[in-house]
Amino acid sequence: TQLLEQSPQFLSIQEGENLTVYCNSSSVFSSLQWYRQEPGEGPVLLVTVVTGGEVKKLKRLTFQFGDARKDSSLHITAAQPGDTGLYLCAGVLGSQGNLIFGKGTKLSVKP
Amino acid sequence: NAGVTQTPKFQVLKTGQSMTLQCAQDMNHNSMYWYRQDPGMGLRLIYYSASEGTTDKGEVPNGYNVSRLNKREFSLRLESAAPSQTSVYFCASRGRGHNQPQHFGDGTRLSIL
Repeated sequence: TQLLEQSPQFLSIQEGENLTVYCNSSSVFSSLQWYRQEPGEGPVLLVTVVTGGEVKKLKRLTFQFGDARKDSSLHITAAQPGDTGLYLCAGVLGSQGNLIFGKGTKLSVKP
Repeated sequence: NAGVTQTPKFQVLKTGQSMTLQCAQDMNHNSMYWYRQDPGMGLRLIYYSASEGTTDKGEVPNGYNVSRLNKREFSLRLESAAPSQTSVYFCASRGRGHNQPQHFGDGTRLSIL
């Protein structure tokens, strides 16, 4: 069974702090996707990283794909209460393009 | 744009009852998926359909069956519900290209007593 280890599982911080979420695996992925999920809704894609070593920025969010395409990180700068939610990483496997999800990081940003 | 629509949104069943969860997408996507989400477990793939007319097992298929009725619709059936199947169920679809994102419905919250 391929596993995608995501950490931390919970994160509670004050507005303005920085944070990093990690996803690690022993498997090589063709790409890795990050999703954000609000309560009562389905996950929504934030970004897809494809190339080893790739860095993508989305406003205050920075996503990095490891050189060996086995790990990824999400860094949020100056977190805001609107960043609160469940963040999920998902590795894309094989020609079918099925996703293996990490267990998620529940982020709470307090004003 | 409706995207992916799931019905019902909530359901309570008794052990042994059967029911079908419905999913429809209006994006002309080939691939469709059923996941379950449990606290601390992330999303786990139950079944998927790479194209109309085909279905395959995912990570946790036991106790479930699926039907790809046409390109738009992909249903999930619980023949004899068990308390262990209490979960939130998500349907998703994806367009061509294995790096394309999956688009999710808002889920069905299922409780089995």
